[in-house]
Amino acid sequence: EAGVAQSPRYKIIEKRQSVAFWCNPISGHATLYWYQQILGQGPKLLIQFQNNGVVDDSQLPKDRFSAERLKGVDSTLKIQPAKLEDSAVYLCASSQTTAGYTFGSGTRLTVV
Amino acid sequence: KNQVEQSPQSLIILEGKNCTLQCNYTVSPFSNLRWYKQDTGRGPVSLTIMTFSENTKSNGRYTATLDADTKQSSLHITASQLSDSASYICVVNSNQGGKLIFGQGTELSVKP
Repeated sequence: EAGVAQSPRYKIIEKRQSVAFWCNPISGHATLYWYQQILGQGPKLLIQFQNNGVVDDSQLPKDRFSAERLKGVDSTLKIQPAKLEDSAVYLCASSQTTAGYTFGSGTRLTVV
Repeated sequence: KNQVEQSPQSLIILEGKNCTLQCNYTVSPFSNLRWYKQDTGRGPVSLTIMTFSENTKSNGRYTATLDADTKQSSLHITASQLSDSASYICVVNSNQGGKLIFGQGTELSVKP
């Protein structure tokens, strides 16, 4: 089966600019997650979707981060405006059950 | 508080040697425990997943153990190869909404 697809793989932007990441989960996976992984740390959950509804966005910095999952399939994560501390790898994962998590390859964001 | 602690933080071994990575957790309720391998700049790739009733699970040269009574897990790598150099992350899945609790990872470096 195809894995979780993410794009772009790399992105370099200046602070205060905007950026968007895209994720296409595994077909049929109802749950989709966005994680932020700062270098040397474990991933931190930003938001969890169940179909097109938000299950958990308690750690999403809502003043600058937004995410949507229209039609319960693809998802986009946006940062506006970006700060230097947003430099990280942004991982998307999807699952059908609690046992079947699959991560994408991630988008490495560098804010300069 | 749900936590996953890994040790050592980093490890350097010679090619061909064995090594064991440790994971202690205080997650409740417990659903399953996973070990992931994460290459730099890539998404985590699942190595093993174990439920409460499983003590040992192997995947090639990787063998994971789980002691649910003491809430400890280990990942043993046999006959290490240069390609084993990566971060190894222990992740515990809580039954509460399928939330993943990540360890900080062990950075393994295999030298020739």
